[in-house]
Amino acid sequence: QVQLVQSGAEVKKPGASVKVSCKVSGYTLTELSMHWVRQAPGKGLEWMGGFDPEDGETIYAQKFQGRVTMTEDTSTDTAYMELSSLRSEDTAVYYCATGHSSGWSVLDYWGQGTLVTVSS
Amino acid sequence: AIRMTQSPSSFSASTGDRVTITCRASQGISSYLAWYQQKPGKAPKLLIYAASTLQSGVPSRFSGSGSGTDFTLTISCLQSEDFATYYCQQYYSYPTFGPGTKVDIK
Repeated sequence: QVQLVQSGAEVKKPGASVKVSCKVSGYTLTELSMHWVRQAPGKGLEWMGGFDPEDGETIYAQKFQGRVTMTEDTSTDTAYMELSSLRSEDTAVYYCATGHSSGWSVLDYWGQGTLVTVSS
Repeated sequence: AIRMTQSPSSFSASTGDRVTITCRASQGISSYLAWYQQKPGKAPKLLIYAASTLQSGVPSRFSGSGSGTDFTLTISCLQSEDFATYYCQQYYSYPTFGPGTKVDIK
């Protein structure tokens, strides 16, 4: 059973960066395909990017390209998502989630979410 | 990007009701469709993938159907724990989600 535990809530000023972590247990990070999804208050789900195991690379949604970086530390089984040049519209709950065996972007295990608030 | 729409956006139902939610893709996605359930303040939960395959542990009252551009999620006998928001997601190409359908208590 995969468990994903994310870092705590963050408050950032516009223009700053935020880095959210996602600690994996039950499996090793190398066995998983990690994705990040966000949800603005009262809104729907938005995929930000994830690891494509067929290509062996991380794919970013076009909307976030140039502003998001997803990394992994396999020594600690922790994934990270860093979003830069924050603006108020980036206020959201950010989730890490793992890809399912049936499809790399079917998301079966989810972290608890990390609220990032962008406010001056 | 493939755009997903859902209908209705919200509705009220009673326990024991049979409910159906529709999802439509802006282009054909074969059966590369998943459904998720989300309760307030919680992470989404995978219910169905490949349009009709039930995720392990999900009650059999949930079912999915469709292929191409039109899909449905059916709950055969609504239970109290099923009041939630439901999202469809295509994974034919880079994933995109529908806007969600909120099911609340009548």
